[in-house]
Amino acid sequence: AQRVTQPEKLLSVFKGAPVELKCNYSYSGSPELFWYVQYSRQRLQLLLRHISRESIKGFTADLNKGETSFHLKKPFAQEEDSAMYYCALSGYSGAGSYQLTFGKGTKLSVIP
Amino acid sequence: EPEVTQTPSHQVTQMGQEVILRCVPISNHLYFYWYRQILGQKVEFLVSFYNNEISEKSEIFDDQFSVERPDGSNFTLKIRSTKLEDSAMYFCASSAGTSGTQYFGPGTRLTVL
Repeated sequence: AQRVTQPEKLLSVFKGAPVELKCNYSYSGSPELFWYVQYSRQRLQLLLRHISRESIKGFTADLNKGETSFHLKKPFAQEEDSAMYYCALSGYSGAGSYQLTFGKGTKLSVIP
Repeated sequence: EPEVTQTPSHQVTQMGQEVILRCVPISNHLYFYWYRQILGQKVEFLVSFYNNEISEKSEIFDDQFSVERPDGSNFTLKIRSTKLEDSAMYFCASSAGTSGTQYFGPGTRLTVL
């Protein structure tokens, strides 16, 4: 079974402060991890994909297989980063398809 | 940039009624999905669809649910006899490949009274 845990429901930081949104996963195979972001009244948008190893909007995330984590980080938070962030795992279901398993999400609030 | 679209944005229905939620995936994508999110809870996988058949479905996707690709562009989710607990946000997603990035629609908020 695959599982994604985001331990923080809400994270408040001041503008300019570092941000770390935690994500831990459980999966027996080789996972593919994603971070999706949902701004107020907008759709879920892909923020990062671990295999891309890129930085989007200043955010980075490194897959740590030893700790089964994929934490999202940004050195200096901006007000426009306030949103709901979902960590997701794509794993082969054994039935010929992949499905995304989401964490419960963390609401990031950046205080001006 | 192409996007997944969904209609309607909000659907209100009476318990026991049938509803059809519509999605237009990105045009060159081959894999289609439905997810739902009950208020305050996480996004949950319902079903995946490829080559005109269901690839996989979750425990939530019982006999009351069905999916169809009636033409070359639409992908629909039908709930035959809605229950109060079906009230949720329903998201459609599509991807180019089986393990590729899934792109989400804006969602349909279903309210069952």
